[in-house]
Amino acid sequence: GEQVEQLPSSLIVQEGASVLINCSYTDSASVYFPWYKQEPGKRLQFIIDIRSNMERKQNQRLTLLFDKKTKHLSLHITATQPGDSAIYFCSARNNNRIFFGDGTQLVVKP
Amino acid sequence: AQTIHQWPVAEIKAVGSPLSLGCTIKGKSSPNLYWYWQATGGTLQQLFYSITVGQVESVVQLNLSASRPKDDQFILSTEKLLLSHSGFYLCAWSPTRAETLYFGSGTRLTVL
Repeated sequence: GEQVEQLPSSLIVQEGASVLINCSYTDSASVYFPWYKQEPGKRLQFIIDIRSNMERKQNQRLTLLFDKKTKHLSLHITATQPGDSAIYFCSARNNNRIFFGDGTQLVVKP
Repeated sequence: AQTIHQWPVAEIKAVGSPLSLGCTIKGKSSPNLYWYWQATGGTLQQLFYSITVGQVESVVQLNLSASRPKDDQFILSTEKLLLSHSGFYLCAWSPTRAETLYFGSGTRLTVL
């Protein structure tokens, strides 16, 4: 079955820094890749997605890059703020099977 | 607007006791529904999904079962809890099989 690997497992940065979260998957049948954010005490929240026919997507300070050949995604967050502190999850979707990475805990210090 | 409600918020149960967790989605007809288990530390494991009333597909075997008795309701249950069932259970819905998931606020289960 699909396996999703996410690195790093944790990041601690100063406010204003940029961060990069990497994600790889194994199943070529996965065609949709949404990312989520989980803040303490809050529900998982969708933040950005990309489909397998795209290479890049941007949403404000978030940029998601996708390489279909290497089965690799990377999420770039610029100008981080303390409010960005959360656990970030990548996922790979093939119809009704949705597999998640283990998450990246981001801490942004003021 | 669509809303998703999970109940209860938290449960403390004894090993061997039964369990029933629920999830209701309002404002969307025929949603695709999902149950996830989140271990301490964050890993999300898909348990079940359902695309229509009365039909549930199992993704992993964890001595749990699921049912969809109504279009807007998804139930997770077991007759005998194990210690390994402890964790955070999340219900989610999706408009189609090719879109994002919308998650409920979860149920924290502690099995003693």
